[in-house]
Amino acid sequence: AQSVTQPDIHITVSEGASLELRCNYSYGATPYLFWYVQSPGQGLQLLLKYFSGDTLVQGIKGFEAEFKRSQSSFNLRKPSVHWSDAAEYFCAVGGANAGNMLTFGGGTRLMVKP
Amino acid sequence: NAGVTQTPKFQVLKTGQSMTLQCAQDMNHEYMSWYRQDPGMGLRLIHYSVGAGITDQGEVPNGYNVSRSTTEDFPLRLLSAAPSQTSVYFCASRNGQFYNEQFFGPGTRLTVL
Repeated sequence: AQSVTQPDIHITVSEGASLELRCNYSYGATPYLFWYVQSPGQGLQLLLKYFSGDTLVQGIKGFEAEFKRSQSSFNLRKPSVHWSDAAEYFCAVGGANAGNMLTFGGGTRLMVKP
Repeated sequence: NAGVTQTPKFQVLKTGQSMTLQCAQDMNHEYMSWYRQDPGMGLRLIHYSVGAGITDQGEVPNGYNVSRSTTEDFPLRLLSAAPSQTSVYFCASRNGQFYNEQFFGPGTRLTVL
């Protein structure tokens, strides 16, 4: 069965500092990986996705993520965090499971200090 | 396009009551799904549909029913509400392949007393 682990439940960074959110997955074949962001009281918005090609993918809002097959990881990065980036971030894996639906990690809540 | 809409935004039920959470999308998407979000557990799939008339169970289907009579609508029914069903419920839709973006509704916050 596929699974996703986000080891950090909460992360606090200072505005302007760099950010890395960790995501580890378990999947039996080629994974299809996603990062979503959820602002308070809102639904989820897609930041970026990976399913083939270049292992470094660029997303919206200045985010990027790198797929590392050897480490089963898909970490999300941003070089300089803005106060508006405070939100909850979810990593998800999709593929040839039932209905090809996504399996989500537990989420990482990002807080940004001024 | 309104995208994915959900009603109501908030609901309080007593144990044993039934209700239906509504979900509609105007993007002509084939795939629709329901998730519940609980702290520290991310989103877990309840039920999904790959087209009108076709539904299937996800990871946590017990206590919930769905039907898909039209492409646009995918209601989620709680048969006999329990406190364990207190959660935030999200409906999502996507078109075609699983690597396409899923679009999420704004959520329904349900409390069962």
